[in-house]
Amino acid sequence: AQSVTQPDIHITVSEGASLELRCNYSYGATPYLFWYVQSPGQGLQLLLKYFSGDTLVQGIKGFEAEFKRSQSSFNLRKPSVHWSDAAEYFCAVVRGNAGNMLTFGGGTRLMVKP
Amino acid sequence: DGGITQSPKYLFRKEGQNVTLSCEQNLNHDAMYWYRQDPGQGLRLIYYSQIVNDFQKGDIAEGYSVSREKKESFPLTVTSAQKNPTAFYLCATLRSQGGGEKLFFGSGTQLSVL
Repeated sequence: AQSVTQPDIHITVSEGASLELRCNYSYGATPYLFWYVQSPGQGLQLLLKYFSGDTLVQGIKGFEAEFKRSQSSFNLRKPSVHWSDAAEYFCAVVRGNAGNMLTFGGGTRLMVKP
Repeated sequence: DGGITQSPKYLFRKEGQNVTLSCEQNLNHDAMYWYRQDPGQGLRLIYYSQIVNDFQKGDIAEGYSVSREKKESFPLTVTSAQKNPTAFYLCATLRSQGGGEKLFFGSGTQLSVL
């Protein structure tokens, strides 16, 4: 069965520190990969996506993610976290040969310490 | 088990036909959402409901209708006015509690036009 795993349910970092949120998937073919953020009181916002090409993807708000085929991972990174980055983050995958069917990971809640 | 059930998994619509996508939840969450996923794009919000008997249009509500007669159910009707209905439709609920809000997702419905 297809699955998307975000191993960390909660992460706390200090403001200004670097951040890495993990995402692993279990498909054989290269999927389409997304990171979304769910901000308090708001809906989902797309941070970045990977379909093909350069495996390092730049997104909005200073986020980036790197697709590593050998590790079946698509980890989200930010060099310096701001207090406003505190939110729930979701990794999502569309399997390359499955149309648009989207599967979400369980989410990681990011808390930022002053 | 607690969760969100979307049915059917695959649905085909004929020209001029209305179809209804089901979303049922037993998580006791008040807020429910419908999103649409198209190739190469992020999720877009169609409709959302914060409580029973109330719902609001999202970013792309034209050609869709919803109802929220029960807390557990938030069906989405794709009307004949929706000229490009082929997409993946995702239902979500929102848990709101002291630890913060978090979205939960159904497994989705792939709608195609015959």
